[in-house]
Amino acid sequence: GQQVMQIPQYQHVQEGEDFTTYCNSSTTLSNIQWYKQRPGGHPVFLIQLVKSGEVKKQKRLTFQFGEAKKNSSLHITATQTTDVGTYFCVTDYKLSFGAGTTVTVRA
Amino acid sequence: DTGVSQDPRHKITKRGQNVTFRCDPISEHNRLYWYRQTLGQGPEFLTYFQNEAQLEKSRLLSDRFSAERPKGSFSTLEIQRTEQGDSAMYLCASSLAGSTGIASNYGYTFGSGTRLTVV
Repeated sequence: GQQVMQIPQYQHVQEGEDFTTYCNSSTTLSNIQWYKQRPGGHPVFLIQLVKSGEVKKQKRLTFQFGEAKKNSSLHITATQTTDVGTYFCVTDYKLSFGAGTTVTVRA
Repeated sequence: DTGVSQDPRHKITKRGQNVTFRCDPISEHNRLYWYRQTLGQGPEFLTYFQNEAQLEKSRLLSDRFSAERPKGSFSTLEIQRTEQGDSAMYLCASSLAGSTGIASNYGYTFGSGTRLTVV
């Protein structure tokens, strides 16, 4: 099956700073999805990337799908306390979740 | 339609008892997934349905677990002879997937989950 590795596992960010989380696969992916799970909550869909090299933006969040469709990244600018949570990249094959990047924010 | 509903929200059961959870997906969604999530871990795939057909079941799932989606609408997940290791959050998700299997641009909608505690 298609497994993805996410790095870093934990990200401690000063409020206002930027950070990036990465998702890597050993195999070519048909697509990739990103979800956010707040503490105590359930995963919430953020975006789906399908095309090679695709870049999508949602306000302060920028999602990118690699040219080879083997990796993806999520970049958040000007981090806010509302960004706290765990971000998962997910392959559509069996909707397999990576381990996630857990983000904490220092005010 | 208010989204994916799961019932019950919480379940405490004694070891050895059977439990059944229900998931009501968004009505027009054809694909339904079950996951298990323990504290600090990502959701772990259990099984998924395309309409009423169960297309795949995780090898991690023992014979004590069974899932059904009899009419392609709601689904049930049953755990027989529960063990303490079954304690977890059980999540259901649904989506409208096209013929290629790729989810719509709305992704998968998750329910709030059923938290199972086996004592």
